[in-house]
Amino acid sequence: QKEVEQDPGPLSVPEGAIVSLNCTYSNSAFQYFMWYRQYSRKGPELLMYTYSSGNKEDGRFTAQVDKSSKYISLFIRDSQPSDSATYLCAMKEGSNYKLTFGKGTLLTVNP
Amino acid sequence: EPEVTQTPSHQVTQMGQEVILRCVPISNHLYFYWYRQILGQKVEFLVSFYNNEISEKSEIFDDQFSVERPDGSNFTLKIRSTKLEDSAMYFCASRSGSSNEKLFFGSGTQLSVL
Repeated sequence: QKEVEQDPGPLSVPEGAIVSLNCTYSNSAFQYFMWYRQYSRKGPELLMYTYSSGNKEDGRFTAQVDKSSKYISLFIRDSQPSDSATYLCAMKEGSNYKLTFGKGTLLTVNP
Repeated sequence: EPEVTQTPSHQVTQMGQEVILRCVPISNHLYFYWYRQILGQKVEFLVSFYNNEISEKSEIFDDQFSVERPDGSNFTLKIRSTKLEDSAMYFCASRSGSSNEKLFFGSGTQLSVL
């Protein structure tokens, strides 16, 4: 079983739609969960950082972690064309930064 | 916002040649990393570096790879004898060292081994 699984998409939505992106994982030692956004020919950029289970909201973005199900989600409200990018989930066990990434989901928001 | 800078953006080399990928981390950062992404695959951890030594490395980071901080600003990844399978986008990243804070990635160097 792969450590982190993420549907690669592609996902295409109209502007204003609510987008739901998800990852599942198998390693129960993961405690820190992140979502990165990656534009074409750029490095990953951190969007959301959460510790353990629960929700975190930042503007139009909400991250959810359900450790009992080993499932994390990123919701984007009122999606904009500028949100078009690849979204990567990433996880780590402790205070180090040896991140384990999902494969990324390519999102296109159409005007 | 401060940036991690990587040069060159694209490097082409022949199999068996040595390459050095260069990174300038953010100036007050103390922890440095290399990750790579083979086309169509996941971003993978290679190595972490702190206080002038490797703190952790992955199975990918074998004897062909080395890292160095030759001066106060640069952080380099050397591949001694490149193989075709080393073709990938290599990302440098850095962070300041406070707990649970942001890891800043550079834009990457696309390495093509022919």
